[in-house]
Amino acid sequence: GQQLNQSPQSMFIQEGEDVSMNCTSSSIFNTWLWYKQDPGEGPVLLIALYKAGELTSNGRLTAQFGITRKDSFLNISASIPSDVGIYFCAGQPSSPRNKLVFGAGTILRVKS
Amino acid sequence: SQTIHQWPATLVQPVGSPLSLECTVEGTSNPNLYWYRQAAGRGLQLLFYSVGIGQISSEVPQNLSASRPQDRQFILSSKKLLLSDSGFYLCAWGRETGTSGSHEQYFGPGTRLTVT
Repeated sequence: GQQLNQSPQSMFIQEGEDVSMNCTSSSIFNTWLWYKQDPGEGPVLLIALYKAGELTSNGRLTAQFGITRKDSFLNISASIPSDVGIYFCAGQPSSPRNKLVFGAGTILRVKS
Repeated sequence: SQTIHQWPATLVQPVGSPLSLECTVEGTSNPNLYWYRQAAGRGLQLLFYSVGIGQISSEVPQNLSASRPQDRQFILSSKKLLLSDSGFYLCAWGRETGTSGSHEQYFGPGTRLTVT
């Protein structure tokens, strides 16, 4: 089946640092989505990308839909403590169109 | 605007007991509905999805079942829980956006199930 490789699996951040994570696949996707999950809560949709090459921002977050349609990245600029959590990428395949393929997640932790 | 509710928020059940988790969506009609399970705070495993009343697709064989008795209600059930059923259960609703049939999903707050 289709799979997404999300990296890194986890990372430590210090306040003010920029953060990057990405997802890659051997399959092409029609849509890329990025979610954030806080502990004990459901994932929240951060950014949706609809076209190859598209670059979209949401505050300090920027995400891009790879030109090959097989990858996407998420950048967080000037991180703050509340950025900690799990970030998931998700791709919408051509078929079936109503199911998403999820990455395994990137855990963001604060460096003490 | 659309909202999605799940209850209960937490549940502790003994092995062999029945289970019923409920999910309801407001503010939209004929949504696609999904049940996911998340173990150990990591990946999301799709369990069931539904494209309409009474229409259920199972993704993973197990002792769980799902039903959709009303358009915006999705129920996850089990007749006899196993220890391995413990986890965080998430309901989601999905829609196609106006952009070339793109699909987005929105999650509920989740139910933490502990089987003892």
